[in-house]
Amino acid sequence: DIVMTQSPDSLAVSLGERATINCKSSQSVLYSPNNKNYLAWYQHKPGQPPKLLITWASTRESGVPDRFSGSGSGTDFTLTISSLQAEDVAVYYCQQYYTPSFTFGLGTKVEIK
Amino acid sequence: EVQLLESGGGLVQPGGSLRLSCAASGFNFNTDAMTWVRLGPGKGLEWVSSVTGTGDKTYYADSVKGRFTVSRDNSKNTLYLQMSSLRVEDTALYYCAKPAHVLPFCSATGRCYSGEEHYAMDVWGQGTTVTVSS
Repeated sequence: DIVMTQSPDSLAVSLGERATINCKSSQSVLYSPNNKNYLAWYQHKPGQPPKLLITWASTRESGVPDRFSGSGSGTDFTLTISSLQAEDVAVYYCQQYYTPSFTFGLGTKVEIK
Repeated sequence: EVQLLESGGGLVQPGGSLRLSCAASGFNFNTDAMTWVRLGPGKGLEWVSSVTGTGDKTYYADSVKGRFTVSRDNSKNTLYLQMSSLRVEDTALYYCAKPAHVLPFCSATGRCYSGEEHYAMDVWGQGTTVTVSS
């Protein structure tokens, strides 16, 4: 199975500042024939189901604010929140779907400093 | 509106069984793969199991393989998760979820695939809670 390692486990960022979350896969999730990275990012708030933010490592879902962006390829990926808002407090997860046995990272908790 | 509604959770003793259901509406359930994901207390999201649209292929996390069985009844637009030999560590909120963008693809050798086994999840239910305790 592909192991997804997120860092940091948690971070506290001031309102309006940048938050950066990293995700590393134990093997590449880039499928060369179509040049797609099979990597998604989710936001999860208590009492709510997870919300899909980004697919294919960098494609923002409809309705997701443009302060959220994804980057990276192969085994190393980043989710960036360019200007943290109060409503962004949540746990963020990466997920690989390169194999049918999906795996999630352990999550990164984002708080306000 | 696309909706998923889980049910069937509850309190069960270790070694017991439980069947979860996920009623789907608002989309073409027959053609969409489906997935179960759980959130244990103090833990992160854990993928549990997936099934293709026709039900011909199923996939399981190692932690549940041999104990859980995923199935679907496309005539009833319902997904199931039969859980047996339950353990304390199976205690969790169980979500069902549907695929976002399924992308057909072809390999370098020219063999082509539907892509229905490779997806992120864009619609989730509210979850049903399973508690395994004596």
